[in-house]
Amino acid sequence: GAVVSQHPSWVICKSGTSVKIECRSLDFQATTMFWYRQFPKQSLMLMATSNEGSKATYEQGVEKDKFLINHASLTLSTLTVTSAHPEDSSFYICSARDLKLMGGRTQYFGPGTRLLVL
Amino acid sequence: KQEVTQIPAALSVPEGENLVLNCSFTDSAIYNLQWFRQDPGKGLTSLLLIQSSQREQTSGRLNASLDKSSGRSTLYIAASQPGDSATYLCAVGTGTASKLTFGTGTRLQVTL
Repeated sequence: GAVVSQHPSWVICKSGTSVKIECRSLDFQATTMFWYRQFPKQSLMLMATSNEGSKATYEQGVEKDKFLINHASLTLSTLTVTSAHPEDSSFYICSARDLKLMGGRTQYFGPGTRLLVL
Repeated sequence: KQEVTQIPAALSVPEGENLVLNCSFTDSAIYNLQWFRQDPGKGLTSLLLIQSSQREQTSGRLNASLDKSSGRSTLYIAASQPGDSATYLCAVGTGTASKLTFGTGTRLQVTL
């Protein structure tokens, strides 16, 4: 149980285009989803927290107009990287939690999406 | 602001050795601590989760301890195997928003 999927797993795009990444909770309702990015050989950095039906809360230094997050349902959150540039190339990982699982304090992680912007 | 540090940054050991990975955090007001494994280019695999009220957790050859007051956790790996080679991350959970702060990671290589 508590499986989180991400799609796509790999994406290559041209500079200036927008890319959408999906994060789905497959067997539980994700009241909260988190988006992280990871640069090569570095740790995960939290980008934003999204609660179903409300606007995402972004961490300091993360441009909300650059990284659009939509959490429209209890099983799906999307991250759209708008007008992507090579410096946006990174590994993006989402996680999800359910208030009814483990007191809501355990996050279940997706497999990640590798984005390469040419 | 919570900061999480892991020592060493990299470690190479021969197969069969027991080893200890260290994690320290600056704010002891945590509600849990989790150890993850990450293989190159892959996502995270959760290894052990310790609640703030617990002192340790064990799973197979892995044992994780938590000393909340001193801001430290250790991950003990017994009888290491080449398949244990990966990056190990610790993460602490804090705040009402259940945010996780990740450590810098320890890259482990177990040689034959």
